[in-house]
Amino acid sequence: EIVLTQSPATLSLSPGERATLSCRASQSVSSYLAWYQQKPGQAPRLLIYDASNRATGIPARFSGSGSGTDFTLTISSLEPEDFAVYYCQQRSNWPPAYTFGQGTKLEIK
Amino acid sequence: EVQLVQSGAEVKKPGATVKISCKVSGYTFTDYYMHWVQQAPGKGLEWMGLVDPEDGETIYAEKFQGRVTITADTSTDTAYMELSSLRSEDTAVYYCATGYYYYYYMDVWGKGTTVTVSS
Repeated sequence: EIVLTQSPATLSLSPGERATLSCRASQSVSSYLAWYQQKPGQAPRLLIYDASNRATGIPARFSGSGSGTDFTLTISSLEPEDFAVYYCQQRSNWPPAYTFGQGTKLEIK
Repeated sequence: EVQLVQSGAEVKKPGATVKISCKVSGYTFTDYYMHWVQQAPGKGLEWMGLVDPEDGETIYAEKFQGRVTITADTSTDTAYMELSSLRSEDTAVYYCATGYYYYYYMDVWGKGTTVTVSS
């Protein structure tokens, strides 16, 4: 089973600052990686798919990069509504499975 | 509008079985996988498995193999997730999700169903 490790566990920043979140896979997932945002009491929302493609309606300040085992989600300039928990997720073809990272909490400093 | 409407909250005793439903509307049910995701209180997301409503084929996460059954009823456009031998650690919110816009990912989610396991 592929394990995703996210870092840091918590990131404390101020609005307007740049956020960089990391996700590392225990083995290569090619570019089959997504990022989700979750706010308290809400279902997750897909932000990025296939490592670097923004989902429909996602602001341009969100960007994803990486391939293989190392991935990054960058938020170029934090807005108040961006403070939430972020998860990475991979899909593997064999064995067919999906896994999530443990999450990074982005909190207001 | 694409929607996933989940059944209501459940309270179960340890050892019991729970079955949650997820009714879809706004798209062709058989065209997209349906995933189920568990989230325990204050914890992260855990993928449980998926069903292909086209043929009923399922894939389960190792952690839940043997205790979870995911099915799809194409006559009512409804997916189900059944979890047996419940224990306190199964207390969680359970989400259904599908990849309507982005096939291999989860871009449309239900609102979640809370399951509480308590004696």
